[in-house]
Amino acid sequence: AQSVTQPDIHITVSEGASLELRCNYSYGATPYLFWYVQSPGQGLQLLLKYFSGDTLVQGIKGFEAEFKRSQSSFNLRKPSVHWSDAAEYFCAVGASNAGNMLTFGGGTRLMVKP
Amino acid sequence: DTGVSQDPRHKITKRGQNVTFRCDPISEHNRLYWYRQTLGQGPEFLTYFQNEAQLEKSRLLSDRFSAERPKGSFSTLEIQRTEQGDSAMYLCASSPGTGGYTFGSGTRLTVV
Repeated sequence: AQSVTQPDIHITVSEGASLELRCNYSYGATPYLFWYVQSPGQGLQLLLKYFSGDTLVQGIKGFEAEFKRSQSSFNLRKPSVHWSDAAEYFCAVGASNAGNMLTFGGGTRLMVKP
Repeated sequence: DTGVSQDPRHKITKRGQNVTFRCDPISEHNRLYWYRQTLGQGPEFLTYFQNEAQLEKSRLLSDRFSAERPKGSFSTLEIQRTEQGDSAMYLCASSPGTGGYTFGSGTRLTVV
């Protein structure tokens, strides 16, 4: 069975600072990996996804993520955080890129200090 | 493309009552998913449809839960005899079969 761990429940960064959110997954085959962002009371917005190919994936809002098979990780990064980035971030692993069930991590809440 | 729509946005119900939620997916998406999210947790898979066929159901989907997608377009999720533990955000998503999902804004259920 697949699983996702997001080790950091809360992270606080200063506006303009760099950001890295950690994600570790467990899956027997090649994983399909996703990062979503959720603002309070809202649904989830897809930031980026990895299916195959280049292990550095660019997403929306200036985010990127790097797939490292040897570490079973898919960490999300942003070079300079904006106050509007404050939200909950979820990493997810899917069984296939045909869109079967996603397994989500518990999320990381990002707070941004002015 | 108007996105995934869910109705209602909020529902407060008394314990023991039945509730029904509706999801309208992106029109060209043949896959539709229901997830449940409790406070402070990531979403958990409930069930999914390909067109009108319900192909997978989680063990979280007890006998009190039923989902339908009668014509392969919109879907409904019904919870019978609601319990306080059913209080959660119910998220619907759709997918064209490749790529990531598009999620709706969810229906927040509060059982009192």
